[in-house]
Amino acid sequence: GQNIDQPTEMTATEGAIVQINCTYQTSGFNGLFWYQQHAGEAPTFLSYNVLDGLEEKGRFSSFLSRSKGYSYLLLKELQMKDSASYLCAVMDSNYQLIWGAGTKLIIKP
Amino acid sequence: NAGVTQTPKFQVLKTGQSMTLQCAQDMNHEYMSWYRQDPGMGLRLIHYSVGAGITDQGEVPNGYNVSRSTTEDFPLRLLSAAPSQTSVYFCASSGTSGTGANVLTFGAGSRLTVL
Repeated sequence: GQNIDQPTEMTATEGAIVQINCTYQTSGFNGLFWYQQHAGEAPTFLSYNVLDGLEEKGRFSSFLSRSKGYSYLLLKELQMKDSASYLCAVMDSNYQLIWGAGTKLIIKP
Repeated sequence: NAGVTQTPKFQVLKTGQSMTLQCAQDMNHEYMSWYRQDPGMGLRLIHYSVGAGITDQGEVPNGYNVSRSTTEDFPLRLLSAAPSQTSVYFCASSGTSGTGANVLTFGAGSRLTVL
């Protein structure tokens, strides 16, 4: 079966760095997405990786290793507004998205 | 651009009632989809469409119908509501080519409670 695993919840301190991991087993691979979802709101797109390596976008970076079925989202200089759930999703060989359950990130002052 | 407009935001139904969740997008996206989101679970695809006149089932289609008569609109119909359909529903759309292909834009969500 197809599976996406990510931690249920993480806690970090304002100003610090946090890494949210995502491992996947899917039928084929056509890219990995990270979305941010604030409580009570819709998911919004953060990043897309299809090749191995690190993609940097401001305070957020996303890494992919296709051989290991692994990705992480790195958030630097954490701000209180980064408190949200972070959703990992993989596009399989049929171009369907397989979603993880999300990681709830709690930022403490 | 309004993006993806989804209505209503909240709805309470009694078991057996029917209703339609509306979804419209003004980005000329070919792909549209409906998801449900339940606590502790990933987003689950209900139905999707790759263009006007074309629809297909996702992971959890039972109890739901869709149609795509225009590029802009993709309504989701609950035929006979059941408590198991209590959830938050999201409509999402994306282009299928060029920059931003396959990046989903979500509507604000519809919180449905079935009593």
